[in-house]
Amino acid sequence: QVQLQESGPGLVKPSGTLSLTCAVSGGSISSSNWWSWVRQPPGKGLEWIGEIYHSGSTNYNPSLKSRVTISVDKSKNQFSLKLSSVTAADTAVYYCARFSETVIAAPTYYFDYWGQGTLVTVSS
Amino acid sequence: EIVLTQSPGTLSLSPGERATLSCRASQSVSSSYLAWYQQKPGQAPRLLIYGASSRATGIPDRFSGSGSGTDFTLTISRLEPEDFAVYYCQQYGSSALTFGGGTKVEIK
Repeated sequence: QVQLQESGPGLVKPSGTLSLTCAVSGGSISSSNWWSWVRQPPGKGLEWIGEIYHSGSTNYNPSLKSRVTISVDKSKNQFSLKLSSVTAADTAVYYCARFSETVIAAPTYYFDYWGQGTLVTVSS
Repeated sequence: EIVLTQSPGTLSLSPGERATLSCRASQSVSSSYLAWYQQKPGQAPRLLIYGASSRATGIPDRFSGSGSGTDFTLTISRLEPEDFAVYYCQQYGSSALTFGGGTKVEIK
């Protein structure tokens, strides 16, 4: 059973950089999956931040692309998120998740494993 | 970016009733790339449906998905007490992955 666990500071100062790590257990980060970050502001909906493949290939949400960096550490079986120049609008629960592929009549993609989420508050 | 609009925002129903949730896309979405999730307070989302109509492992058959193009539907045939939650649709394609704004299914 794959498990994901987010870790990192729960409080970040405005204009600073938010840094989170997602540790993957029960499976290899080098498997044929993409690894994503999704966030959810308090009381609001879900927003995809971006994803990484074990090769290091990344895709980012265009609305956040200028501030986001996602990296992978295969030796530690984990991946990380950095979000720079944060403001109060970046306050949210941050989830890491596995984005998997199944082929039915055609390839289909979905998030099948999620971390429990970690609340990051941006405040001075 | 494809925008997903979910309706209604809130659905007030009683246990045993049928729930019909809509997800409308701003442009055509491949059915293969449309999924539905359930989220309860304080929990991560849980995959219900992928490929627009395939149930995920362990999901009861009272949950079903349908649709194509720009209109997709999640149906819960008979609401159980544990089904009262928020439901999100999600698409993967073009330049970004996006989620709908969610439909809250609450007890009437």
